[in-house]
Amino acid sequence: EDQVTQSPEALRLQEGESSSLNCSYTVSGLRGLFWYRQDPGKGPEFLFTLYSAGEEKEKERLKATLTKKESFLHITAPKPEDSATYLCAFQNQAGTALIFGKGTTLSVSS
Amino acid sequence: DTAVSQTPKYLVTQMGNDKSIKCEQNLGHDTMYWYKQDSKKFLKIMFSYNNKELIINETVPNRFSPKSPDKAHLNLHINSLELGDSAVYFCASSQGTGGVPQHFGDGTRLSIL
Repeated sequence: EDQVTQSPEALRLQEGESSSLNCSYTVSGLRGLFWYRQDPGKGPEFLFTLYSAGEEKEKERLKATLTKKESFLHITAPKPEDSATYLCAFQNQAGTALIFGKGTTLSVSS
Repeated sequence: DTAVSQTPKYLVTQMGNDKSIKCEQNLGHDTMYWYKQDSKKFLKIMFSYNNKELIINETVPNRFSPKSPDKAHLNLHINSLELGDSAVYFCASSQGTGGVPQHFGDGTRLSIL
């Protein structure tokens, strides 16, 4: 069965303290892996799409990477405004709807 | 200028009532979605429409009926509301039929008393 697990569930960082969020997936054939950011009371905001192992995407302090079994969202020198819940999702080769993970809630304090 | 807008933002009602949630997108996208986010924060697809045609219909009780009068609008009507329907419902849109939502609305928080 296709599934996705994100860890940790919650992460507290000091401003400037770099870390990584993990997204492990089990899928018969991966069509794409996606990262979203969700602020409280808001809808998810699309961040990145990754299609194949070894691929990397960057945006400001965020970098997403992909292997055959997991994806990482690296956060370099985070700021308080990076505090949010980060969701990963994948789409299988059949191209059906995305399957979302539960998310990692990141809190960055100054 | 809001890209995907949903109304209402909050909906509090009693069990057994019928309610509707409206969604509009001004991005010119041709695919729209309804997602449900439960108390455990899992986001699950309910329906997807492309150019007013239903393309994804997950295992959702038939009390839920989507309606797309045109490709910029996708409304959700819910009959005979139950306690378990309490959740946040998100509308989303994307270009093409790839099935990947690109823009989400801010959600409608439905609470059943």
